[in-house]
Amino acid sequence: DTAVSQTPKYLVTQMGNDKSIKCEQNLGHDTMYWYKQDSKKFLKIMFSYNNKELIINETVPNRFSPKSPDKAHLNLHINSLELGDSAVYFCASSQTTGGVEAFFGQGTRLTVV
Amino acid sequence: GESVGLHLPTLSVQEGDNSIINCAYSNSASDYFIWYKQESGKGPQFIIDIRSNMDKRQGQRVTVLLNKTVKHLSLQIAATQPGDSAVYFCAESGGNEKLTFGTGTRLTIIP
Repeated sequence: DTAVSQTPKYLVTQMGNDKSIKCEQNLGHDTMYWYKQDSKKFLKIMFSYNNKELIINETVPNRFSPKSPDKAHLNLHINSLELGDSAVYFCASSQTTGGVEAFFGQGTRLTVV
Repeated sequence: GESVGLHLPTLSVQEGDNSIINCAYSNSASDYFIWYKQESGKGPQFIIDIRSNMDKRQGQRVTVLLNKTVKHLSLQIAATQPGDSAVYFCAESGGNEKLTFGTGTRLTIIP
C-alpha cells in the first residue's frame, strides 16, 4: 500500500488551462503539504494543512488553490497555468505540523507548453 | 533570514568508501536538523534527524554531526553502496511549523 499517493504522475498541458493534482495519505497523519521542486531540485513548501485547516500559505499566487475535503486528502487546483508553473509538485504528510519526518508522494511532473 | 545551504552540489565516491555531505545553516533557532534522500523519479525520503541540543547521532550506516558553533551539519555514509546514489537534502525544523530544505547534493557512487 502506498502511504502518500498523488495523481497524475505526469501532466502536460497548455498555457491558460486549469488543472488539478490529487493527493491521498493512508497514514492517519493530521498534516499534509504541497511542495514545489524546480529544475534545480530546489524544494519549497507551498501550503500546509492541519486537519483540513490551512496553516501555511507561502505567498503562492492565488491561481493555486488547495482543497482538503478531509484530513486524508489534499488536492491542488491551478488556474490559468503559466510556463513558470512547470515543475515537480510533491504532496507530503506528517504526524504533526512541522514534523521532522514527512512522507512524500512520488511527485507530479507538470509541464506547461 | 533563515536559509539552509550546501557546500558542494555534486559528490562522487567509490563504492565501499565513506562519504560526507555537508550543509550550512543560518537559523540558530531551529529545533531539529534533518537529512532526506531523493532517488531519481521519487519523492524525498527521511533518513535521520538530530535535535539541536545534540552534536552527533548514529543510524544504520549513517551518522549526522551538528556543529552549532559554525552552524554546520554533515551526513556521513559508511561503506557506500550503489543504492546510495541520490540527491541528499538537509532540512531544518523550527517553531514555524514547516520544514525548510537546502539546495541538495547529488551523490554518485562509482562501481
